[in-house]
Amino acid sequence: TQLLEQSPQFLSIQEGENLTVYCNSSSVFSSLQWYRQEPGEGPVLLVTVVTGGEVKKLKRLTFQFGDARKDSSLHITAAQPGDTGLYLCAGDDYKLSFGAGTTVTVRA
Amino acid sequence: DAGVTQSPTHLIKTRGQHVTLRCSPISGHKSVSWYQQVLGQGPQFIFQYYEKEERGRGNFPDRFSARQFPNYSSELNVNALLLGDSALYLCASRLAGPQQGQYFGPGTRLLVL
Repeated sequence: TQLLEQSPQFLSIQEGENLTVYCNSSSVFSSLQWYRQEPGEGPVLLVTVVTGGEVKKLKRLTFQFGDARKDSSLHITAAQPGDTGLYLCAGDDYKLSFGAGTTVTVRA
Repeated sequence: DAGVTQSPTHLIKTRGQHVTLRCSPISGHKSVSWYQQVLGQGPQFIFQYYEKEERGRGNFPDRFSARQFPNYSSELNVNALLLGDSALYLCASRLAGPQQGQYFGPGTRLLVL
């Protein structure tokens, strides 16, 4: 049973556009994390969210954590080709439970 | 500071063989976890070790085993390899509990023929 569902599965946009990726969990975890992974490499930690309602910003990336701590979103403003990659959300209870990921392609 | 390192980067084995994958965590990190990622999916948890003791195990057969050494480095062993074991094997380390993220190595790409 998939604990975390991500949507959409694929996203292709033009440079300069905005995008949002969603992550919904059937369970409440101690924290939720977002990672970005490029082909053949390990995931890179972007952010950890802990508190319901929390909003974190990392340059053009905005992360929101739902009040019930079961859903989260990642919003990218003015996407650039360098934002291309697989975006993964993961619930953390000492072990990480990952969603299947959203493949984002930003066309120049 | 050096990040998580893994060796080898790539490996080709045949069915029935065994393989040992190695991981060195970030300096000061005492927790090491192993994940398997097959193409098109998110990583799946295999093991977690903390202070040289197994603290968690995922839904993997007994052919998979691991250990952590006094210097906190770790090995993942897989016996009697199957074609389905072909995957990217990732090691991650963390400093403390789940409110701090895990830091992944580049992975070992295993191909079983």
